[in-house]
Amino acid sequence: DGGITQSPKYLFRKEGQNVTLSCEQNLNHDAMYWYRQDPGQGLRLIYYSQIVNDFQKGDIAEGYSVSREKKESFPLTVTSAQKNPTAFYLCASSIQQGRGNQPQHFGDGTRLSIL
Amino acid sequence: AQSVTQLDSHVSVSEGTPVLLRCNYSSSYSPSLFWYVQHPNKGLQLLLKYTSAATLVKGINGFEAEFKKSETSFHLTKPSAHMSDAAEYFCVVSERGGYQKVTFGIGTKLQVIP
Repeated sequence: DGGITQSPKYLFRKEGQNVTLSCEQNLNHDAMYWYRQDPGQGLRLIYYSQIVNDFQKGDIAEGYSVSREKKESFPLTVTSAQKNPTAFYLCASSIQQGRGNQPQHFGDGTRLSIL
Repeated sequence: AQSVTQLDSHVSVSEGTPVLLRCNYSSSYSPSLFWYVQHPNKGLQLLLKYTSAATLVKGINGFEAEFKKSETSFHLTKPSAHMSDAAEYFCVVSERGGYQKVTFGIGTKLQVIP
């Protein structure tokens, strides 16, 4: 079955450490997204990518970085500059940006906590 | 600019009674509207979508929603709640055009009482 796989499911970060969250999709989707979810705040967009080797900042990109070297992969790095990284991180994909009637498909998330 | 407002942060219903989750939106263009469901520690699953076809949209698990342009609303309903419906529900608006701007509501937690 096609879908989005996020790993790991739980992740712990030490002070001053960078950590990378994995997101892989086999839906052949062009666009991929990273969201951060905090209680009572809904989903906030961190980064998105429309095609390979291209990505744009979302609403809360500070302290995060991404790469898009392959169509199926969109890893997110939470850097030490992100002072409040504890959250639930969701990766999503869609057929194509620019077609507003296309829904996004979500992975099962990674829960990041500070040690 | 677009926005979405979920009017209730928590809704509690008894099993077997109707469910109503309210969503109002604003959009400068013809919007697409979606409802997603999220169970604890899981991703979001698409329940249904409105994309300018029929205004009454049927989704999975017996849910449906009606697009009312005059009221800028897209409320989610289900005739009879099941225990398995207990989850968080998100209303989402997306503008069509050259750039797909997607805005999520803050969510409504549905509690189903046995």
